[in-house]
Amino acid sequence: QKEVEQNSGPLSVPEGAIASLNCTYSDRGSQSFFWYRQYSGKSPELIMSIYSNGDKEDGRFTAQLNKASQYVSLLIRDSQPSDSATYLCAVKRGSNFGNEKLTFGTGTRLTIIP
Amino acid sequence: KAGVTQTPRYLIKTRGQQVTLSCSPISGHRSVSWYQQTPGQGLQFLFEYFSETQRNKGNFPGRFSGRQFSNSRSEMNVSTLELGDSALYLCASSLGFGTNEQFFGPGTRLTVL
Repeated sequence: QKEVEQNSGPLSVPEGAIASLNCTYSDRGSQSFFWYRQYSGKSPELIMSIYSNGDKEDGRFTAQLNKASQYVSLLIRDSQPSDSATYLCAVKRGSNFGNEKLTFGTGTRLTIIP
Repeated sequence: KAGVTQTPRYLIKTRGQQVTLSCSPISGHRSVSWYQQTPGQGLQFLFEYFSETQRNKGNFPGRFSGRQFSNSRSEMNVSTLELGDSALYLCASSLGFGTNEQFFGPGTRLTVL
């Protein structure tokens, strides 16, 4: 079992619709969860972080975390063509001092169709 | 505030050579982590430095090494290059403690011929 699993896609969503990206993780000790966006040929860009169960909203983005189900998701509302990218889920075991290793999923390629 | 910088941006080397990559973190950040990204394996953690000490290490051979200087700048070195080392090498900068976030530099694209 992979430590962090994502559907590789591609996921195609019409412009203006909601894009839903999912991620599961295997390590129950995981405490910090991140979503990165990576455009082709570019480096990953942090778009959301979440540490507690529930929802966290930032503009058109909402991250959802369910530690009991070991599941984290990202919703993108009012999808725009500029949202077309690969979305990487990343998990960090601890939030305490001394553990900065991020474990990444393989990413979901999202395409917004105009 | 300036972001993470990496030099060089592109490198072409031949098998058997060695290479040194450099990373300057965001001002005030004390932790630098290095990752390798390839199409087949995705993003893989190499190692992390904090206050000039290696704090974490991934599952890479000893040919991969790094160091951090007192100004938090970091270098990674790959010796005896192999074709499979061709990848995008990314460094990420963070405060180094707490529920902090990592911010990536633009990466160094290494091609081994």
